[in-house]
Amino acid sequence: GQQLNQSPQSMFIQEGEDVSMNCTSSSIFNTWLWYKQDPGEGPVLLIALYKAGELTSNGRLTAQFGITRKDSFLNISASIPSDVGIYFCAGPDNYGQNFVFGPGTRLSVLP
Amino acid sequence: DTEVTQTPKHLVMGMTNKKSLKCEQHMGHRAMYWYKQKAKKPPELMFVYSYEKLSINESVPSRFSPECPNSSLLNLHLHALQPEDSALYLCASSQDYRGTDTQYFGPGTRLTVL
Repeated sequence: GQQLNQSPQSMFIQEGEDVSMNCTSSSIFNTWLWYKQDPGEGPVLLIALYKAGELTSNGRLTAQFGITRKDSFLNISASIPSDVGIYFCAGPDNYGQNFVFGPGTRLSVLP
Repeated sequence: DTEVTQTPKHLVMGMTNKKSLKCEQHMGHRAMYWYKQKAKKPPELMFVYSYEKLSINESVPSRFSPECPNSSLLNLHLHALQPEDSALYLCASSQDYRGTDTQYFGPGTRLTVL
């Protein structure tokens, strides 16, 4: 089945720094979704991308749907302690049978 | 409103117990999902209900039994679970069960099987 890869696997940054993380696939996705999950909680939708080339912002977050439809990135500007968590990219597979998650990027923000 | 609610928040049960997890959404979504998530892993799909009918069962053991009483409610009945079934159980919903529909997740139920 289709798979998503995320990089980096984990990252430690200083408060106030900008963050960039990637999601890639060997096959095309028609929708890219970015979720954030805090420990013991459910994933919260941050940004949804539905069109190749689309660039969407949500506050300090910006995400882009790659032109090839095989990748997406998420940027966080001026990180704050509450940005700590696991960021998952996800999307429905092209058969409409399954919702694929990447393995996640774990973000730690140091004061 | 994009809220999916789940109860209970935490559940501890013995291997001989019978318990149920509940999920509710009032967004008019017609697809609802159960996921299982182990620590430091992404969620794994268990079941999909589309228009109150079971569409997908990802080879889940029969000790997990889903039920969709109506379009807003989804239950997961648990019986004779094993310690390895301890995990975060997530419910999600989407407008429909199509390739482009965004899923919204509940806060999860933390299940511990003793």
